[in-house]
Amino acid sequence: DAKTTQPNSMESNEEEPVHLPCNHSTISGTDYIHWYRQLPSQGPEYVIHGLTSNVNNRMASLAIAEDRKSSTLILHRATLRDAAVYYCILRKETSGSRLTFGEGTQLTVNP
Amino acid sequence: NAGVMQNPRHLVRRRGQEARLRCSPMKGHSHVYWYRQLPEEGLKFMVYLQKENIIDESGMPKERFSAEFPKEGPSILRIQQVVRGDSAAYFCASSPRNSPLHFGNGTRLTVT
Repeated sequence: DAKTTQPNSMESNEEEPVHLPCNHSTISGTDYIHWYRQLPSQGPEYVIHGLTSNVNNRMASLAIAEDRKSSTLILHRATLRDAAVYYCILRKETSGSRLTFGEGTQLTVNP
Repeated sequence: NAGVMQNPRHLVRRRGQEARLRCSPMKGHSHVYWYRQLPEEGLKFMVYLQKENIIDESGMPKERFSAEFPKEGPSILRIQQVVRGDSAAYFCASSPRNSPLHFGNGTRLTVT
């Protein structure tokens, strides 16, 4: 599995935007970039995914570099409920391929 | 549409007993994944199943652990002769083909 690199931790203030970076310099052409998050005492939750183009949904935006070697998850207005570990994962879009979780980024949101 | 249901939420077993963890996938999902999260550690893939078939068990310990996903009923992760090192949170996820995974809230196993 191709590897991703994320900062161990980040802090943000409530109602401010948050940009969570991820490096994936060995990404292959068939790898999709997935983001999940895990709130305390809960299972992981899907956030967003993309291949080449930037993506938006109700939870977040995903900005993908032109060379696809890095990406950024953007939370437009952080809330206290966004405090979680955020995982950037590369996944081959073959049927049923597994997710390989790294250490992720622990996001702290200050009131 | 109910999410992925795991039960029990908490399970306590003595060393040497068996633990059976159940996972009911979301309606229409034929792919099931099991993950383990040891205290203060990350999520580790264990096994991936489709109905009645094990597709990838590369993360399963070689002994004492087994998983099934029968044609009818929930997926079961079975741990025989549990040891203290098996204490962890076990998460199940389901998905339709080629789609993001939906996770349950886990079963927290404590071995005393």
